[in-house]
Amino acid sequence: GAGVSQSPSNKVTEKGKDVELRCDPISGHTALYWYRQSLGQGLEFLIYFQGNSAPDKSGLPSDRFSAERTGGSVSTLTIQRTQQEDSAVYLCASSLGLGTGAFFGQGTRLTVV
Amino acid sequence: KNEVEQSPQNLTAQEGEFITINCSYSVGISALHWLQQHPGGGIVSLFMLSSGKKKHGRLIATINIQEKHSSLHITASHPRDSAVYICAVKEGTGNQFYFGTGTSLTVIP
Repeated sequence: GAGVSQSPSNKVTEKGKDVELRCDPISGHTALYWYRQSLGQGLEFLIYFQGNSAPDKSGLPSDRFSAERTGGSVSTLTIQRTQQEDSAVYLCASSLGLGTGAFFGQGTRLTVV
Repeated sequence: KNEVEQSPQNLTAQEGEFITINCSYSVGISALHWLQQHPGGGIVSLFMLSSGKKKHGRLIATINIQEKHSSLHITASHPRDSAVYICAVKEGTGNQFYFGTGTSLTVIP
């Protein structure tokens, strides 16, 4: 597709279950970013990839969160043993390179019940 | 203290007015982004700046690196400009992004 694609668009899961969120960046974009927006909060940076590597994982809120990117393209954000405070919209963005304008997906709305 | 401060937090304007949203930051940066989030919608990246000024249609963004300040201007504002505008900076020495809490703009016909 022409833009950043995220799936699923909505996910409701039970507390304690694991979830995987997927991001398909724009073709050719080497940089990929994950953000989170909790209700009433600003955007929170989680992690970014340059190619397949993630130089800085310090934005991930806990060790239940992990992310990977393979083939310099698709990325998955995995949340293990989900908690209610994980409920948020998870946004993915990609750009041609670090420091260039980023294009955002529509997000995955995660609800942990 | 937040690394990125935006002002005002809320802004209501009449259609046609010239609008300015300000962003101040405290860290050394490699780039500053202005983002637009529509109610219930996605987020689009408006500008990425590292120096000077950029213009796109009725939108103008400026940055003063020495003063650690950026402004987003909207000329001839229109109700469809109503959205939350977010300033985000990428730290220069590290890889961390910092976000402002946004400016909620409402343009009244």
